[in-house]
Amino acid sequence: DSGVTQTPKHLITATGQRVTLRCSPRSGDLSVYWYQQSLDQGLQFLIHYYNGEERAKGNILERFSAQQFPDLHSELNLSSLELGDSALYFCASSKGSSGGFQETQYFGPGTRLLVL
Amino acid sequence: AQKVTQAQTEISVVEKEDVTLDCVYETRDTTYYLFWYKQPPSGELVFLIRRNSFDEQNEISGRYSWNFQKSTSSFNFTITASQVVDSAVYFCALSEESLRSGYSTLTFGKGTMLLVSP
Repeated sequence: DSGVTQTPKHLITATGQRVTLRCSPRSGDLSVYWYQQSLDQGLQFLIHYYNGEERAKGNILERFSAQQFPDLHSELNLSSLELGDSALYFCASSKGSSGGFQETQYFGPGTRLLVL
Repeated sequence: AQKVTQAQTEISVVEKEDVTLDCVYETRDTTYYLFWYKQPPSGELVFLIRRNSFDEQNEISGRYSWNFQKSTSSFNFTITASQVVDSAVYFCALSEESLRSGYSTLTFGKGTMLLVSP
């Protein structure tokens, strides 16, 4: 158990809908990262938040957005869903004290999204 | 740009065999970090090891060992006396500092699926 929690574990929805994925980082971690894992693209970085502020963006679609709240939990919002958005979405956290590339990221169990 | 290549898509071995998973990376930085993660069939990503670019000492942890060779840009992972529970997808990842933001992200390889049969 990494200490990172994600809800829900599974989500089934229809095209065009909007969903929210939730992540709670490990106790004391200030940085939260979101990744998407799909069969064709592999593990892709989406976005990084540090202590409530956006720090880096990866291959995140405009239909997707995220935020980190004062209690440090984070939410990933996916809207106007398409079939191709079906994937496993991971949240990871790290201490974030240096914001650095040297930090180990610990991953949550993931949310499996199926868009029908 | 950074890139991580795991050329072995799938490896099948019989229990107790030794197996090596290859990882080759590309980076222009002199300071970077390399990681290995394990993804068992249950789906979670489990951290195994972190290595910085200045530490080329091999590391051993139980049946696991890692060989980092900067000269060949490789960070290979060996499992000795494999067990059925080692069956998983293993990912190698690279982290380097972004000149733009000062922060960084992990770039993952495509992963190697290891199947250990009894």
